[in-house]
Amino acid sequence: GAVVSQHPSWVICKSGTSVKIECRSLDFQATTMFWYRQFPKQSLMLMATSNEGSKATYEQGVEKDKFLINHASLTLSTLTVTSAHPEDSSFYICSARWPHYPNTGELFFGEGSRLTVL
Amino acid sequence: AQSVAQPEDQVNVAEGNPLTVKCTYSVSGNPYLFWYVQYPNRGLQFLLKYITGDNLVKGSYGFEAEFNKSQTSFHLKKPSALVSDSALYFCAVRDAGNTPLVFGKGTRLSVIA
Repeated sequence: GAVVSQHPSWVICKSGTSVKIECRSLDFQATTMFWYRQFPKQSLMLMATSNEGSKATYEQGVEKDKFLINHASLTLSTLTVTSAHPEDSSFYICSARWPHYPNTGELFFGEGSRLTVL
Repeated sequence: AQSVAQPEDQVNVAEGNPLTVKCTYSVSGNPYLFWYVQYPNRGLQFLLKYITGDNLVKGSYGFEAEFNKSQTSFHLKKPSALVSDSALYFCAVRDAGNTPLVFGKGTRLSVIA
């Protein structure tokens, strides 16, 4: 299957700083990527849909200015948590949609990034 | 709008016994159904999918799932559980349009030796 790489796997930062998480599709071009947030022992919450070359589509309740998403190329999407606070601590997971026929919407996931804000 | 229900937070099964993880869905039109598995501090791994065709779908690691349209279910099964199958399992659904996958809340499977 397709490979999605996410970096960093772990990050600890001080409150007020910004953190960037990268998501790369290694062996295919992804016009659409998705960013999820997962709280402990809970399901995945879709934060936003990242579209190459255009603005991301955010889900209701997700702050656009807080979680900046950039999808500048067909293989890279980035999530920047700006002015991070302890409540932003979470596990963030990216995924990319397989773009080729048959377009069944199957997603390939990165390994996730655990953010801890002190 | 589509939705997924995984009625069990936790499933415990003895090693060697068959396992079932339940999933029901709601979607307009024909569903695309998926199962994913997540190990601690890892991303999700694809197990199997149902798009069309045979109702019994076989996937990775010996898992299979049966699509039941009348019951709107897509239960995950394995004939003989392994301790290494212990993980968090997610069912997901989307419709035939260009919509994101919707995930269930997950079911934690514990296989006891």
